[in-house]
Amino acid sequence: AQSVTQLGSHVSVSEGALVLLRCNYSSSVPPYLFWYVQYPNQGLQLLLKYTSAATLVKGINGFEAEFKKSETSFHLTKPSAHMSDAAEYFCAVTGSGGSYIPTFGRGTSLIVHP
Amino acid sequence: EAQVTQNPRYLITVTGKKLTVTCSQNMNHEYMSWYRQDPGLGLRQIYYSMNVEVTDKGDVPEGYKVSRKEKRNFPLILESPSPNQTSLYFCASRAGQPNTGELFFGEGSRLTVL
Repeated sequence: AQSVTQLGSHVSVSEGALVLLRCNYSSSVPPYLFWYVQYPNQGLQLLLKYTSAATLVKGINGFEAEFKKSETSFHLTKPSAHMSDAAEYFCAVTGSGGSYIPTFGRGTSLIVHP
Repeated sequence: EAQVTQNPRYLITVTGKKLTVTCSQNMNHEYMSWYRQDPGLGLRQIYYSMNVEVTDKGDVPEGYKVSRKEKRNFPLILESPSPNQTSLYFCASRAGQPNTGELFFGEGSRLTVL
């Protein structure tokens, strides 16, 4: 069984501030982890993914995430928020051992204030 | 251009009037899936298909049907829509192997059932 918990349904930051979106997972097999972003009135698109090659993963638009096995976490960060980062962010997990159905977290809405 | 196309993008209908939301992908993907997105609940999987003529229930299949007669198409059928099926629907696809690849999403279909 696998699950994803995203802490905080809404995160509010000022433009230029650090962005931190939290994701914790549970998986009975080594996981593959994803962050997707949903801009207003659009579908989801991949931001970055962890597939066991490196624990620190860099994605598009300056985002990165670090896989921490001991903490079962895959938090998303960006050093300096931009107004265009305002969106819904989803963390997802897929088991590597044959469980091919991804499980999504409930999403975190990022609000960026000028 | 690689894409997942959903139609219609917006639909208002009445209780009991059968409707179909179409989904088509041009990436020769084996895996396709339908999700519904509701405030506070994130993405919930309705049905998925591992390949042609192979479909299975997701987390919230009640009131929905699907078919996969061709690889590129995966329509979602609401035989007798009810107001609790008012939601934002997303179709997604992924290559069959590796099963840890990213999902590609359509732009969504917003359905209102009166």
